[in-house]
Amino acid sequence: NAGVTQTPKFRVLKTGQSMTLLCAQDMNHEYMYWYRQDPGMGLRLIHYSVGEGTTAKGEVPDGYNVSRLKKQNFLLGLESAAPSQTSVYFCASSSGLAGGQGEQFFGPGTRLTVL
Amino acid sequence: AQRVTQPEKLLSVFKGAPVELKCNYSYSGSPELFWYVQYSRQRLQLLLRHISRESIKGFTADLNKGETSFHLKKPFAQEEDSAMYYCALLYGSGNTGKLIFGQGTTLQVKP
Repeated sequence: NAGVTQTPKFRVLKTGQSMTLLCAQDMNHEYMYWYRQDPGMGLRLIHYSVGEGTTAKGEVPDGYNVSRLKKQNFLLGLESAAPSQTSVYFCASSSGLAGGQGEQFFGPGTRLTVL
Repeated sequence: AQRVTQPEKLLSVFKGAPVELKCNYSYSGSPELFWYVQYSRQRLQLLLRHISRESIKGFTADLNKGETSFHLKKPFAQEEDSAMYYCALLYGSGNTGKLIFGQGTTLQVKP
C-alpha cells in the first residue's frame, strides 16, 4: 500500500496563478484533511471531508477550495495564489471509526512557494 | 476555544539524559490527546495517544486534567529520538476526527 500520496512535491507559483494539489489514499478511509505547516505555527487545518461528496471548513479556509468527488481523492485548490500561501501543505486521512478517532495518516507534503 | 500550547521551540539534551516535552491544552470538553512525531525526511506519524496508555519507543505521556497538561517523557534520550514532536487535541462536535496541533518542539539529542 502506498498510503497517502500527494502531487506535486514542489511548486513555485506567481501571485495570482491558480493550482490544484492532489491527495490520494488507498486505505479506504472515510475522512480526509488538508493542513498547512508554517514555522512557529504548527499544523493548521484548512478544510476537511468526512465522506465522499462532503467538505467542510477548518481553521484557515480563506483562499482555498476543496473537492471530494471520489472517496480516495481530496483536492485542494488555490484560485488566485498569494505570497501568504507560501507553505508546506499536508494531506491526511483517517478511518473515522470509533477507537480510531485522532489517528491520522499523513502524506509526504507539498512545498509551495508563491512569488 | 480549544488551544494546544507547546512552550519550547527547541529542546536540546545529551544522549542518556531524561527528556520532557511540554504540552498544555485548553478545551471545554473531555480531552483526547495525542503525540505525533516527524523524523527527518519522514512523514508525520502518530507516536502515542493518552487513551491507550502505552509506552512507545520508551516514551510515555500522562494526561493531567488538573494542570491541563500532557507532557511527553522519556527517561534516557537516544540520538534517534531527534525529531519534531507535535502535541494534538481531538476536538469539535460530532464525529469528525479533527485535530488541533501545538506549534511543535524540535528535540535535538546530542552524542
